[in-house]
This record gives sequence, structure tokens and C-alpha cells, in this order.
Amino acid sequence: KQEVTQIPAALSVPEGENLVLNCSFTDSAIYNLQWFRQDPGKGLTSLLLIQSSQREQTSGRLNASLDKSSGRSTLYIAASQPGDSATYLCAVSNAGNMLTFGGGTRLMVKP
Amino acid sequence: DAGVIQSPRHEVTEMGQEVTLRCKPISGHDYLFWYRQTMMRGLELLIYFNNNVPIDDSGMPEDRFSAKMPNASFSTLKIQPSEPRDSAVYFCASSLHPTVEQFFGPGTRLTVL
Repeated sequence: KQEVTQIPAALSVPEGENLVLNCSFTDSAIYNLQWFRQDPGKGLTSLLLIQSSQREQTSGRLNASLDKSSGRSTLYIAASQPGDSATYLCAVSNAGNMLTFGGGTRLMVKP
Repeated sequence: DAGVIQSPRHEVTEMGQEVTLRCKPISGHDYLFWYRQTMMRGLELLIYFNNNVPIDDSGMPEDRFSAKMPNASFSTLKIQPSEPRDSAVYFCASSLHPTVEQFFGPGTRLTVL
């Protein structure tokens, strides 16, 4: 059974800092990995999707990498802003099209 | 496109009552997913449909839960009878294909008293 772990569970940084969020998964036979953002009381917004054959994806200040063999992904946020404060979730898709989610990292960027 | 639409956004009911949650996927998406989010268990997949057909319902917690998709633009998740432990946020998501990203609705926050 796939298990997804995100470290740290919570992170507080000053504005402008570059930061890295980590995601690990136990079963490397994945189709893709997706990073989401969730604001309090809101739904999930897809940030980046990395196919199993890819190593990284970039969108603006966000860069996600994937090392499938070691079961790891990182989300890099450059020049963090208070508006980046949210919970970040990673999820992996295995055979059967099912997404397994990590517990999330709650990020606070202080002005 | 309006995105995935869910209703109601909030539902408060008493234990034992029937609850029906509704979802309209993005037009043209062949896959529809129902998730539940709680503080204790995080986000869990309950069931998903492909072309209106339930494919995997192994995440449905028990017989009190049922889901239907009568057509490509509408799905329901029903809880009968509801219990306090069913209190959670229920999300619906849709996608074109399992290898591409899923788009989530805003969720329904269910409180069972």
C-alpha cells in the first residue's frame, strides 16, 4: 500500500527566503506526482504535475523535482511571499488511477 | 469553464438523517473522484468513476455510504444514516485522464450533530 510522507509538517519563514518542502513515497511504481496548495477552508489548487518519466517541472517561482527511484520529490519556492502561506500537499498516482496524499506542510511566510 | 461545482458548501444535520452531497464535474472530464478530508486521516479517496461507471469503491467506509453518477455531468454521494464521525470536508474532483492533473471542487463541509 502506498504511503506518502511530507516533512516538515509545519514551517515558518521570513518573507524573501527560499524554501524546500519534502515529499517521500514508499512505492516507486507511480504514474505521476502532483503538488497542490490548500488555503484555509478552501479546496485544492493544482500547482505542478510531474509525470513519472520527468525529473522536474517549473511554474513561476515554483520548481518541483522528482526522483522516482528513491521515492522523493521536493517543491522549491523561491523568494517566498506572505501570499504563499497555505498548506502544500503532494499526492502520487499509482495503478488504478488513485491519488494517495501526504499529510501536508503548513507554511507561514511572515512579512 | 466554472470548474468543479459542489453543493451544498456547508451542511449541518443531526445524527440519523440522510445527507446528499452533489457534484458537477468539468465538462468533458471522463473521471470523477470523491474524497474526504479530516484532521485525523487527511485526504482519502472514497470512490471514483470512469465514464459514469464506478471503478473502485474500496475507500467507501461502510454501507451507509453510496455514490452514483447518473450522467456525465452529475454525481451524488449519499450518507444514510449519518453519524457524528462522518463530519468532514468532502471534495469532488475530475480529470480528463488518470495521467493528467485532477481539478478539485471547493468542498462540502459536513457537520453531523
